This record gives sequence, structure tokens and C-alpha cells, in this order.
Amino acid sequence: QSVLTQPPSASGTPGQRVTISCSGSSSNIGSNPVSWYQQLPGTAPKLLIYLNSQRPSGVPDRFSGSKSGTSDSLAISGLQSEDEADYYCAAWDDSLHAWVFGGGTKLTVL
Amino acid sequence: EVQLVESGGDLVQPGRSLRLSCAASGFTFDAYAMHWVRQAPGKGLEWVSGISWNSGDLGYADSVKGRFTISRDNAKNSLYLQMNSLRAEDTAFYYCVKDHTRRIGGGKYNWFDPWGQGTLVTVSS
Repeated sequence: QSVLTQPPSASGTPGQRVTISCSGSSSNIGSNPVSWYQQLPGTAPKLLIYLNSQRPSGVPDRFSGSKSGTSDSLAISGLQSEDEADYYCAAWDDSLHAWVFGGGTKLTVL
Repeated sequence: EVQLVESGGDLVQPGRSLRLSCAASGFTFDAYAMHWVRQAPGKGLEWVSGISWNSGDLGYADSVKGRFTISRDNAKNSLYLQMNSLRAEDTAFYYCVKDHTRRIGGGKYNWFDPWGQGTLVTVSS
């Protein structure tokens, strides 16, 4: 059971907008920024979003992050087939003194 | 270009030990904290351990505390993970990950970037 809760799956058709949620508590998302990671099949995770909503250079602006209270969400607009991957949220937990991840969301592009 | 190359993964029997290494290049290694994150086959990500730039601050997941030891050699631009008393549930890909830190309003906030390609540890008899 992961400390951060994500839906196990999400799907959309090309061009659609999809949102993936990440729910936590006051000791993690509620008091620390969230980062998101994309893991394409058979590859290592890659940073997608940091500090809740910042995109590293090279990440398309189709990807955006937003935070509200103890929840965060990743939005992907203009969905493309190459977006099919697993997505993970992460945050530092002040009570556990550890990094915690969501269980991951498998995004399927129909 | 930042590169993190893990090595040392192997098939090992329960109760035995293994040492993972991570060779870093393309950045000033001794200026950054580093982490190990693992992923059991077909499962999600789990933070294992982290170490500050000068080895003064170490952190471990409860699942490995007392069994695993993280260390680094800044002269060799290398990160290590000594894994003792290995269990079947330690079977996973182990990723070496570079830490990023930004100070905002008196706080210090981190994220992981980039990740190495991973090395597979299999614990089985």
C-alpha cells in the first residue's frame, strides 16, 4: 500500500486531455512540493514535473502539474501515442522522514 | 551530459550480501546528494536510501534500515549500496538517482533527476 494514492489506470484518445491524481496527507503533499516521473516501457523513470508545477527543459508544455491542499494532479493535454507510460508522483514525508511515491498510474492511449 | 551507470546487480541467495555501485559523470558529484530507488518487477517505485554531498546526512526506508548501508566516494565520483541479509522481497531493479535541491522561502525542496538505467538484484535460492 503506497503512502500516496494514485489511480492504477487512466486512458484517453489522441488529442484528449487526461488528468492523473495523487492524494496524500498533511505530512507529505500538504507540506512539501510534489514531483512527477514518467516511465516509458522498459526504461528508467524520467523527471516530468518538479516543485508541483515546474517543467524541466525538454518537457512539452502539454504536461502540467497543480496542487491543492493534500492532493496534486498531473494533466496531459493533446494526448499523443508516445505518452503511453507509467506515471508516478513523489514527495518527502516529514513524519516518516522518507521519500514516498504513489503506486503509479498506467496511461493507455486508445 | 549527466550519466549515472549502476553495476553490481546479480542473482544472490537469501541471507547473503551484495554491493551495488554507481559511477557518476558529467556533473560536480561532490556538490549533490544522491539516492537509491528500487522497483520490483512489474511494481511501483520505492525510495531506498539517500546520502548528502558530504555523507553527513544519511536516510533509509524502514524496509532496509539496519540491513543496507549507503556510502559515497567523492574522489571516485561513485555511490554505493551495501546490501546485507538480503530477502526475496529485495528483488528489484535498483536505480541510482541524482538529487536536486532548491531553497525557497527558508525551506529546502528536492526532486530526483536524472535516473540511471538500473541494475537488477534477484534474491532467490
